[in-house]
Amino acid sequence: DTAVSQTPKYLVTQMGNDKSIKCEQNLGHDTMYWYKQDSKKFLKIMFSYNNKELIINETVPNRFSPKSPDKAHLNLHINSLELGDSAVYFCASSRGTISNYGYTFGSGTRLTVV
Amino acid sequence: QKEVEQNSGPLSVPEGAIASLNCTYSDRVSQSFFWYRQYSGKSPELIMSIYSNGDKEDGRFTAQLNKASQYVSLLIRDSQPSDSATYLCAVIYSGTYKYIFGTGTRLKVLA
Repeated sequence: DTAVSQTPKYLVTQMGNDKSIKCEQNLGHDTMYWYKQDSKKFLKIMFSYNNKELIINETVPNRFSPKSPDKAHLNLHINSLELGDSAVYFCASSRGTISNYGYTFGSGTRLTVV
Repeated sequence: QKEVEQNSGPLSVPEGAIASLNCTYSDRVSQSFFWYRQYSGKSPELIMSIYSNGDKEDGRFTAQLNKASQYVSLLIRDSQPSDSATYLCAVIYSGTYKYIFGTGTRLKVLA
């Protein structure tokens, strides 16, 4: 059983397109996150939801919009894709809000904008 | 700006040796510290967490925390080629809900 699953695993798209990445966790965790990992492997938080409520909204372009229909799902929609959006996007989840227990990451979505 | 710093490496150690990975952080009032391992093309996976000063051991891994000096380290005993990966340090700063990750140290264990 996959704990945190993301789809798609790879996404190649043209500039200007709109795309979505989906994430689901079956761990019963309360909090879910989106992270972006750039080519230098730096992991930067984008958003976090706790029980469907947005609790972290970092400085990301408003072309990025998260949606959490329930506490097991957190999707990421990206409008008007740009070349600089190319990266690996990781979904993660944790027990509780302060995440003292650590994160469980999904397998990542490699987004390539051409 | 709160920061977590790691030497990017690569750190090369022979098989069977002890690998020592270090991480420093900027906020004195930090509460929780984590080490993640990330194989190339894979997602990060949690290895250890540490919250109090001192050492914490789990199998071949030992995490060491020194809050006065603001560093946390990870020792890997009897290093194996399968330990070759990037090791990410993460810190939860007080009053926030989020990790700050370091940029990671690439470890190469030579057979």
